[in-house]
Amino acid sequence: KQEVTQIPAALSVPEGENLVLNCSFTDSAIYNLQWFRQDPGKGLTSLLLIQSSQREQTSGRLNASLDKSSGRSTLYIAASQPGDSATYLCAVNRDDKIIFGKGTRLHILP
Amino acid sequence: DAGVTQSPTHLIKTRGQQVTLRCSPKSGHDTVSWYQQALGQGPQFIFQYYEEEERQRGNFPDRFSGHQFPNYSSELNVNALLLGDSALYLCASSLGQRGDEQYFGPGTRLTVT
Repeated sequence: KQEVTQIPAALSVPEGENLVLNCSFTDSAIYNLQWFRQDPGKGLTSLLLIQSSQREQTSGRLNASLDKSSGRSTLYIAASQPGDSATYLCAVNRDDKIIFGKGTRLHILP
Repeated sequence: DAGVTQSPTHLIKTRGQQVTLRCSPKSGHDTVSWYQQALGQGPQFIFQYYEEEERQRGNFPDRFSGHQFPNYSSELNVNALLLGDSALYLCASSLGQRGDEQYFGPGTRLTVT
């Protein structure tokens, strides 16, 4: 059974710092891994999608890596801003079942 | 280009009642997935519809059922509502090929009293 774990559960950092969010999964047989952002009470916004054959993806200040063999992914956020405050979720896709972690609640201090 | 839309935004129901939630996929998408997100948790996969058939299902009871229409829009039906069904229900759309990116709607907040 696929399980997805995100560490830490919550994180507070001063504005301007670089930070790393971690995601681990138990079954490496995945189609892809997707990182999402969720603002309180809202839907999910897709940030980055990494296919199983890829090692990383970049979009602006965001960089996500995937090590399928070890069951790990990281989301790197450069030069954090108060507007980055949100919950970040990772999700793995296998056999059309998308399994989410519980998320990391990120608070950027002005 | 319209994204994924869901209706209604909020809904309050009583235990034992039935509810229907609706989702229109992003233009060009033919696959719809439904998720339940309890407060403080990650979304839980309910099921996925492709070509009007349920292609995959998560660990949810038969009280949860769905339908996909020829225009690819979808409904989620929940019968015999329980207090524990209170959650944010999210719909996501994607292309038919396995492994494609999921695009989410804003969700429907269901409260069961």
